[in-house]
Amino acid sequence: EAGVAQSPRYKIIEKRQSVAFWCNPISGHATLYWYQQILGQGPKLLIQFQNNGVVDDSQLPKDRFSAERLKGVDSTLKIQPAKLEDSAVYLCASSPGQGEAVGELFFGEGSRLTVL
Amino acid sequence: GENVEQHPSTLSVQEGDSAVIKCTYSDSASNYFPWYKQELGKGPQLIIDIRSNVGEKKDQRIAVTLNKTAKHFSLHITETQPEDSAVYFCAAAFENNDMRFGAGTRLTVKP
Repeated sequence: EAGVAQSPRYKIIEKRQSVAFWCNPISGHATLYWYQQILGQGPKLLIQFQNNGVVDDSQLPKDRFSAERLKGVDSTLKIQPAKLEDSAVYLCASSPGQGEAVGELFFGEGSRLTVL
Repeated sequence: GENVEQHPSTLSVQEGDSAVIKCTYSDSASNYFPWYKQELGKGPQLIIDIRSNVGEKKDQRIAVTLNKTAKHFSLHITETQPEDSAVYFCAAAFENNDMRFGAGTRLTVKP
């Protein structure tokens, strides 16, 4: 079974530029998550989708971050304009999570962003 | 919202010794407590989890204990091996929402 796919793996941009990350979850998984992991810290939830609807985006900095999950499958996370403090690994995860109790999250390998 | 604290931040043990990592959580409504292992350059991977109706769970060399009254849970790894070296994260969640992670413990197992 294919895992969660993310791209690009690495991205270096200058502050005030924009960047987009893509995630393709495990086939059939209804719930998709974007996490931000700053070096030396645990993952922090940015946004959670169930199918193509947003369940929780309370920690998403909406003035610069946006995310969408069209058709309830793959998802993109965009940052515009980027700030130095956005340097982090952006992890996408998915879970079967439809009408079930919370369970295992399956993570991709992440997209490492460096903002100069 | 939920706040998860994890200790220690780094842990070094000799091969064959045991390792214990502890976490506390703040939201008494949390009912799901997973542990994830993250190797360099990879995403976190679930190694064991426990739900609030259970006090202890074991899987070979790994065990997790939960004290709901005190709001803390622990990961125990016995007979550690060099391949156990990684960063370990605890997390807490209620139902399917807002899983909060601890800051992580870097475990080093010396051969």
